[in-house]
Amino acid sequence: GAVVSQHPSRVICKSGTSVKIECRSLDFQATTMFWYRQFPKQSLMLMATSNEGSKATYEQGVEKDKFLINHASLTLSTLTVTSAHPEDSSFYICSASRGFHQETQYFGPGTRLLVL
Amino acid sequence: GESVGLHLPTLSVQEGDNSIINCAYSNSASDYFIWYKQESGKGPQFIIDIRSNMDKRQGQRVTVLLNKTVKHLSLQIAATQPGDSAVYFCAESLPRTGANSKLTFGKGITLSVRP
Repeated sequence: GAVVSQHPSRVICKSGTSVKIECRSLDFQATTMFWYRQFPKQSLMLMATSNEGSKATYEQGVEKDKFLINHASLTLSTLTVTSAHPEDSSFYICSASRGFHQETQYFGPGTRLLVL
Repeated sequence: GESVGLHLPTLSVQEGDNSIINCAYSNSASDYFIWYKQESGKGPQFIIDIRSNMDKRQGQRVTVLLNKTVKHLSLQIAATQPGDSAVYFCAESLPRTGANSKLTFGKGITLSVRP
């Protein structure tokens, strides 16, 4: 199998606080993990790509100081939304792949973030 | 930039019929394609993939067809069931060396199965 989990599945926080989302590959070692953001009835937008032990590569327009990514092990990556604001409310989804090049990405169930 | 697009935003089919979901991709250099299914409030679920050295690949009740000449990808679902109702995304990937491969997702098409 290729199971990816995310925690929490849903989070509500106050504006100005930071929120950490965990992404875990449960039955395989993930060379690469990806973080996406999805607005209602829209497609997935890639935010950043991370490899274990390396700095994440952010897509154009994504603030790296706002969305901190840590890929500490081959099974865990975290996304921290710092100083969250209402416009950060969204559905955040991670994915993981076994290989470095053109390997299938397996997605987590997503985390619904609501910033009040 | 390059993008992957879908012809129709919604598709309604009768239960038991076959479904065909189409996708046009614009980057002729893409050489890896995936179809994902996303149910409401959940993450995308891998359905089937195909590499550019193939033009057809079959899975369980699903078939993906790739026409590189016209840059067209399709997903065929046999004997569509109510559980197939979801949003379907096609995604493409460019060949890369020395860097992570990224997927570019299409806009998504909603499949609605009528009982």
